[in-house]
Amino acid sequence: GQNIDQPTEMTATEGAIVQINCTYQTSGFNGLFWYQQHAGEAPTFLSYNVLDGLEEKGRFSSFLSRSKGYSYLLLKELQMKDSASYLCAVRDLFSGGYNKLIFGAGTRLAVHP
Amino acid sequence: EAQVTQNPRYLITVTGKKLTVTCSQNMNHEYMSWYRQDPGLGLRQIYYSMNVEVTDKGDVPEGYKVSRKEKRNFPLILESPSPNQTSLYFCASSLRGQSTDTQYFGPGTRLTVL
Repeated sequence: GQNIDQPTEMTATEGAIVQINCTYQTSGFNGLFWYQQHAGEAPTFLSYNVLDGLEEKGRFSSFLSRSKGYSYLLLKELQMKDSASYLCAVRDLFSGGYNKLIFGAGTRLAVHP
Repeated sequence: EAQVTQNPRYLITVTGKKLTVTCSQNMNHEYMSWYRQDPGLGLRQIYYSMNVEVTDKGDVPEGYKVSRKEKRNFPLILESPSPNQTSLYFCASSLRGQSTDTQYFGPGTRLTVL
């Protein structure tokens, strides 16, 4: 079956570093996305990994290990505005030949002064 | 400005009263999709469309209909809404449904069915 797990909530301090983990099980992995979603707003794209390793984009980095079914999103130099939910989503080669995007429930991050 | 728009943004209705939530994108995207988001469950796909006149069911299609008569629009229709369809709905689009395509989301429609 298909399953994505990520922690429900995390807290961190302004200026610190936080790592949000995501584990997944899919029948046909074809890429992993991280989205940021502020309360009541639309998800916005943060990063995409399809090969093993680290993708760095400013203060945000995303890591993927396909053999372990594992990814993490690393946020450095945390700012108050980083308080949001972070959604892990996996592309799955569906039986019908269409690339399906499966979302985790999201990790709600609270950044404190 | 490249964007996905949805209307209405907020809607309170009663059981059984047909409603339509519109979705439009100006990026000439082929792929469009509807999701609902409920606490603790994440985003779940309702229907998707690979192109004009091509639509298919997602994970939770019961109680919903869609149409794709033109590329830019992908309305979501609730023929007879029920309280369990109270949710936050997002429309999304991407260039095609390919692995590297990023999905762009609309601002969301918060629907309450009494």
